[in-house]
Amino acid sequence: QVQLVQSGSEVTKPGASVKVSCKASGYSFTGYHMQWVRQAPGQGLQWMGRINPNSGGTNYAQEFQGRVTMTRDTSIRTAYMELNSLTSDDTAIYYCARVYCTERCYNALHIWGQGTLVTVSS
Amino acid sequence: QSALTQPASVSGSPGQSITISCSGTSSDIGNYNHVSWYQQHPGKVPKLMIYDVSSRPSGVSSRFSASKSGNTASLTISGLQAEDEADYFCSSYTSGGSSWLFGGGTKLTVL
Repeated sequence: QVQLVQSGSEVTKPGASVKVSCKASGYSFTGYHMQWVRQAPGQGLQWMGRINPNSGGTNYAQEFQGRVTMTRDTSIRTAYMELNSLTSDDTAIYYCARVYCTERCYNALHIWGQGTLVTVSS
Repeated sequence: QSALTQPASVSGSPGQSITISCSGTSSDIGNYNHVSWYQQHPGKVPKLMIYDVSSRPSGVSSRFSASKSGNTASLTISGLQAEDEADYFCSSYTSGGSSWLFGGGTKLTVL
């Protein structure tokens, strides 16, 4: 079945970087953009950006420009999200997600990874 | 860019109906029919309940309906059940710097 499996929890220090992976299965990896969304503890969702796994092209939310890098490795059907210069405000669950598709695709997130908890603490 | 505005909490008794509002601007909800709603139980992954303002993905109960008027979207849950108790988030495509905006979430309590 269609599935996104993310890497495990991370604990890191302020100023450091973190890289989260998202492995896709059950569908054409290069056929759909991969979105990244985060959720701080007890807070709402925040869109971070997306990558086109086919071309490698990216779009980042303004709030993360210059601090986030999204990449992919098509040979292993995996997308990556790296966030730099971490602060305690970056403590959150990070999700990869794919849009909902039937005969066409829609601007709504349907397939979600299980989430990766990133804790930034000194 | 500011998030969409939702009430922090709503409540209702089993069998009743409730409505959750989601307020945006003419740059997001008011300008696009790409409004979606998500249900999230504690410790779980968000689940898509509504897309394109009022459409339900296959498998989502018809008790969930939604609409939009101007810059405000609404989600209605009829015939409330205990399992509906969860957090609900709205989302809209936006022409601003971020492609998608989310609401802060509404906690639904089934009394």
